[in-house]
Order: sequence, then structure tokens, then C-alpha cells
Amino acid sequence: NAGVTQTPKFQVLKTGQSMTLQCAQDMNHNSMYWYRQDPGMGLRLIYYSASEGTTDKGEVPNGYNVSRLNKREFSLRLESAAPSQTSVYFCASSEDRVYSPLHFGNGTRLTVT
Amino acid sequence: LAKTTQPISMDSYEGQEVNITCSHNNIATNDYITWYQQFPSQGPRFIIQGYKTKVTNEVASLFIPADRKSSTLSLPRVSLSDTAVYYCLVVRRGSARQLTFGSGTQLTVLP
Repeated sequence: NAGVTQTPKFQVLKTGQSMTLQCAQDMNHNSMYWYRQDPGMGLRLIYYSASEGTTDKGEVPNGYNVSRLNKREFSLRLESAAPSQTSVYFCASSEDRVYSPLHFGNGTRLTVT
Repeated sequence: LAKTTQPISMDSYEGQEVNITCSHNNIATNDYITWYQQFPSQGPRFIIQGYKTKVTNEVASLFIPADRKSSTLSLPRVSLSDTAVYYCLVVRRGSARQLTFGSGTQLTVLP
């Protein structure tokens, strides 16, 4: 049982380049999330998807787009990467039950130069 | 959502019991208290969740006093592998998108 799988694990981009971070879960969860983690700032929610076909902005959505491709997959796209987007990105999923805990992947470490 | 306050760091020795206290003065009636653990280069992992009094599982215990303005995560007989960052969160019904992970508590277990 893989849980939440993120690819790639590491990525280096030049300013202005684009890329898509992939996330897939095999737990049949409806809700999926993208967070970023910066030193000393904890995790901040970028986007959230309550179900296939729906997405909502989180705390820090600027500069990002998301796609809920199907129930399993939720991708995060950087159209024009900036150094301020250097961070570790985590994908998570959860059941629909009230107060369900989040299940996280192991992250993608992104560096924008 | 209720803001949480927890120590930035704690040190302990192997075999000791560790208690990490979290303050959440503005907790609301429908809020639950949840703790996550994060190892380096990994995503956070759910440890335990509770509403009041005491909750225990195979990993930890969670103590919540009657006024619910604070909570204490208790890790019995820690080992080196318990070195991690521990996050205290207040979770409100239907507000998954508003979960706030603060900076957490860095627990270092020494030999």
C-alpha cells in the first residue's frame, strides 16, 4: 500500500521555467491538498480539492495552478517559476469523515535559481 | 481557527517520558486537537487526536483538561528515533482547508 506518492523527489528550475508536480493516492480519498513548507514557517496550504472536478484556493495560491485529474491524482503546476517558490512541496489526502487526519507524501524539494 | 502555541524545541534522553504542551486559548466547542509528527525529508504523520480528557494509542497519549485551553502530548520512554518535529493543530469541523501547521516543537532525543 503506497499511500500518497509524489514525483519528482527533487527538481531544479531556472526562473521562468514551468513544471508540474505530480501526486497520486491509492486510499480512495475524496479530499486532496497541496502544501508548501519553508524553514521556520511550518506548512502553508496552496490549494485544496474536496472531490474530483473541484478545487479551492488555500492560503498561498498565487503563482500556482492545480488540476484534479481524477479521484487519485492531483497535480500542481508552476507556470513561470520564481526564486520565491523554492520550497518543499507536500501533497496530502484525507477521507470525507469529519475530523479525518491528513495522509502526506514525502515531498518534492524544488529549487528555483 | 484557534491559534496554537508550543515550545520551539525540547531535549530529552532515551528512556524518559516526554511531555509537549500546546496552548490553544481560543478553542471553540466543535474543535478537536490533533498532533502530527514529522521526520526530516518526510511528510507529517498523524499521531493522535482528541476532544477532551485522555486519549491513548500505541504511540502516545493526549491529555486535555476540562477547559480545553491546552493539551499535552505524552511520549512514553522515548528513543533516538522519536527525534522529530511535533505539530499541534486545532481542527474545526468542515475546515480542512484552514488547517494551520505552525513551526512545531523540535524534539531531540539524546543517547
